[in-house]
Amino acid sequence: NAGVMQNPRHLVRRRGQEARLRCSPMKGHSHVYWYRQLPEEGLKFMVYLQKENIIDESGMPKERFSAEFPKEGPSILRIQQVVRGDSAAYFCASSPGLLETQYFGPGTRLLVL
Amino acid sequence: DQQVKQNSPSLSVQEGRISILNCDYTNSMFDYFLWYKKYPAEGPTFLISISSIKDKNEDGRFTVFLNKSAKHLSLHIVPSQPGDSAVYFCAASVTQGGSEKLVFGKGMKLTVNP
Repeated sequence: NAGVMQNPRHLVRRRGQEARLRCSPMKGHSHVYWYRQLPEEGLKFMVYLQKENIIDESGMPKERFSAEFPKEGPSILRIQQVVRGDSAAYFCASSPGLLETQYFGPGTRLLVL
Repeated sequence: DQQVKQNSPSLSVQEGRISILNCDYTNSMFDYFLWYKKYPAEGPTFLISISSIKDKNEDGRFTVFLNKSAKHLSLHIVPSQPGDSAVYFCAASVTQGGSEKLVFGKGMKLTVNP
């Protein structure tokens, strides 16, 4: 049973470009969460999705950030017009349901030049 | 507003001894608590969890203790091994309105010396 997959593992973008981060949950998991980790900080919740639905996006910045989890395919975290402050590690986690353990992927390290 | 605090940034212990990692929280609404271990350039790996209705959970060398009145939990690793050297994150789960999220501490770096 493969774990949570994230790609790319590393992503370099120039200011103003778009970044797309992908997450494939563990088999049998229908709940996906995105977290961001800034240097020397803990992980911060961004958004919680189930298939085709955003359940909670209270941790997402109001502008430039969006997330989706389509019926088919991976979950996508999209950052438009990236700025240097978006440089961070972005982790995806999945679980089979509410109050079930969340398992994390290896993360995507975004660097904005 | 840091709801989950790991006040010690690092801990160094000798192989074979006990490692005690501490975590304090402020929100009484947390449902359960988890510990994750993280190596550089990897994602957090789940270690052990405890429900808010329990005071102890044990899994092999890892034991988590929860003191609800003090809003404090701790992770005990015994005996510690060099492979345990990593950053450990304490996390708390909060469920509200059909949503669940984890709130993480800043992490603590454990070094186990051979």
